[in-house]
Amino acid sequence: GENVEQHPSTLSVQEGDSAVIKCTYSDSASNYFPWYKQELGKRPQLIIDIRSNVGEKKDQRIAVTLNKTAKHFSLHITETQPEDSAVYFCAASFGGNQFYFGTGTSLTVIP
Amino acid sequence: GAGVSQSPSNKVTEKGKDVELRCDPISGHTALYWYRQSLGQGLEFLIYFQGNSAPDKSGLPSDRFSAERTGGSVSTLTIQRTQQEDSAVYLCASSQGTGAATQYFGPGTRLLVL
Repeated sequence: GENVEQHPSTLSVQEGDSAVIKCTYSDSASNYFPWYKQELGKRPQLIIDIRSNVGEKKDQRIAVTLNKTAKHFSLHITETQPEDSAVYFCAASFGGNQFYFGTGTSLTVIP
Repeated sequence: GAGVSQSPSNKVTEKGKDVELRCDPISGHTALYWYRQSLGQGLEFLIYFQGNSAPDKSGLPSDRFSAERTGGSVSTLTIQRTQQEDSAVYLCASSQGTGAATQYFGPGTRLLVL
């Protein structure tokens, strides 16, 4: 089955700096890659996703890149703000069936 | 419209007791997923329902865990003879289930086994 690895497990950045979280996956059949943000004590919420037919997607300060050949995808947050502090999870899925999640990255934005 | 709901929000039980956790998916979503999240950990897949197909139970950690989905809507996750290591947040998610559809998560049930 699929195996998703996520790095780093913790990340601290100064407010205004960029943050990058990377995930790798093992199953070349995976074609959908969502990213979730989970604030303390709350449910995971989708922040951005990418499908395998595109290499990059951007939504304001958040972007995701996908390299199908290398089987990795990354989340980029620019101009970080304290409210970006949360745990971020990547996931990989084939056709929306079972989702395989990374182990999470705890992001702290220091004011 | 209404999102995914779960009940109870919190459950404290004694070791050895059975518990039932409920999930109400978004109306019209054919896919339903259960996950377990231990403190400070990632999301552990438990079980996946898609329409009327046989569920994917490959993530259930032991035969004490079971789940049903009645009428293609509400789902119940049952844990029999609970153990302390079952303490975690149990999250339910649903999606439209067609192709790579977005999952929407419920608020979770926080289970504490004493």
